[in-house]
Amino acid sequence: GENVEQHPSTLSVQEGDSAVIKCTYSDSASNYFPWYKQELGKRPQLIIDIRSNVGEKKDQRIAVTLNKTAKHFSLHITETQPEDSAVYFCAPNSGGSNYKLTFGKGTLLTVNP
Amino acid sequence: DADVTQTPRNRITKTGKRIMLECSQTKGHDRMYWYRQDPGLGLQLIYYSFDVKDINKGEISDGYSVSRQAQAKFSLSLESAIPNQTALYFCATSDRTGSGETQYFGPGTRLLVL
Repeated sequence: GENVEQHPSTLSVQEGDSAVIKCTYSDSASNYFPWYKQELGKRPQLIIDIRSNVGEKKDQRIAVTLNKTAKHFSLHITETQPEDSAVYFCAPNSGGSNYKLTFGKGTLLTVNP
Repeated sequence: DADVTQTPRNRITKTGKRIMLECSQTKGHDRMYWYRQDPGLGLQLIYYSFDVKDINKGEISDGYSVSRQAQAKFSLSLESAIPNQTALYFCATSDRTGSGETQYFGPGTRLLVL
């Protein structure tokens, strides 16, 4: 199965700074790279994703970059705000009929005002 | 996501009691999952089901059982609850696709075992 690692496990930044979270994976068949955000006490929700035929995708202050050769992808948050404080999970996968998705262990981002 | 619901949202029970957590979805998805999350930690997969006739154990299935009553319903049971099963439990669904899987989570059930 997929071996997924996230770094760092915790990240503390000042409001307005940028934050980067990296996800490495082992399965070269993975072709879909989502990031989920979980605010305290709430459910994880998809915030951005990228497919293997694209190197970068942006959505306002968040972006995801993919390096398929090196088997890693990263979440970038610019101009961080307190509401960005959350746990972020990656879940690289290829879908398929019997594929079981694996989540990374999560990164706790704290944005200090 | 309003299309995935869990009941109850909060539950307090005593050691040794049997309890059931229920999950329903209106998304029409084949795949359903149960996860456990302890404070400050990640998502641990308990059981998953790819269709009504398919049930699979996850990483931490001991002490838990599941039932897939229909495509839309997936229940998690704790046969004899113990205090270290105190956690936040999430149900999730996803559609079968060969181009990548997105999971949609229910709001969670907070379980306290005394």
